[in-house]
Amino acid sequence: KAGVTQTPRYLIKTRGQQVTLSCSPISGHRSVSWYQQTPGQGLQFLFEYFSETQRNKGNFPGRFSGRQFSNSRSEMNVSTLELGDSALYLCASSLGLALINEQFFGPGTRLTVL
Amino acid sequence: LAKTTQPISMDSYEGQEVNITCSHNNIATNDYITWYQQFPSQGPRFIIQGYKTKVTNEVASLFIPADRKSSTLSLPRVSLSDTAVYYCLVGAETGANNLFFGTGTRLTVIP
Repeated sequence: KAGVTQTPRYLIKTRGQQVTLSCSPISGHRSVSWYQQTPGQGLQFLFEYFSETQRNKGNFPGRFSGRQFSNSRSEMNVSTLELGDSALYLCASSLGLALINEQFFGPGTRLTVL
Repeated sequence: LAKTTQPISMDSYEGQEVNITCSHNNIATNDYITWYQQFPSQGPRFIIQGYKTKVTNEVASLFIPADRKSSTLSLPRVSLSDTAVYYCLVGAETGANNLFFGTGTRLTVIP
């Protein structure tokens, strides 16, 4: 069974630009969660989607948004990029809701904002 | 929100048992406790999950006291390959909970 895939793996953008990251969950998984990881803040939760609905949201500004499609694939978008948005963005999928089911993580997208 | 507190780092020699404790004083009645392991340049990997008492699988044990305000991940006979960051996660299905991973515990296994 294929694992969670994320594209692109690496991305370089400049301040003010926007970016869209993509995540394909494991087949059959209905929940997709997004996380931001930085050396200083650790692993922080962005949002969780389940059956195309946002179920949970972390403490991030409105510049961070996401969506989930009917095939459970998910995208997250960051608008008006700031230097502090440079991070590893991880996506995880699970059969059911993330907190009570095993989450399977993808390899991440490393975003660098210049 | 059941925020968690873990030690920032721990060192252990190969072959020893390692216990990592996580405090979650505000845990709610329906919250589960889950532990993840993360190696450098990889996404976290599920280790174990529990609700109360003790849970054991092929890689670890999870001890949860009756008041559930803390939990202890036990790794038997660690090897160098167990060097990683370990995260404690507390939450439940219902409500607007945040999945709070925090900065985890960096375990270094010494030969």
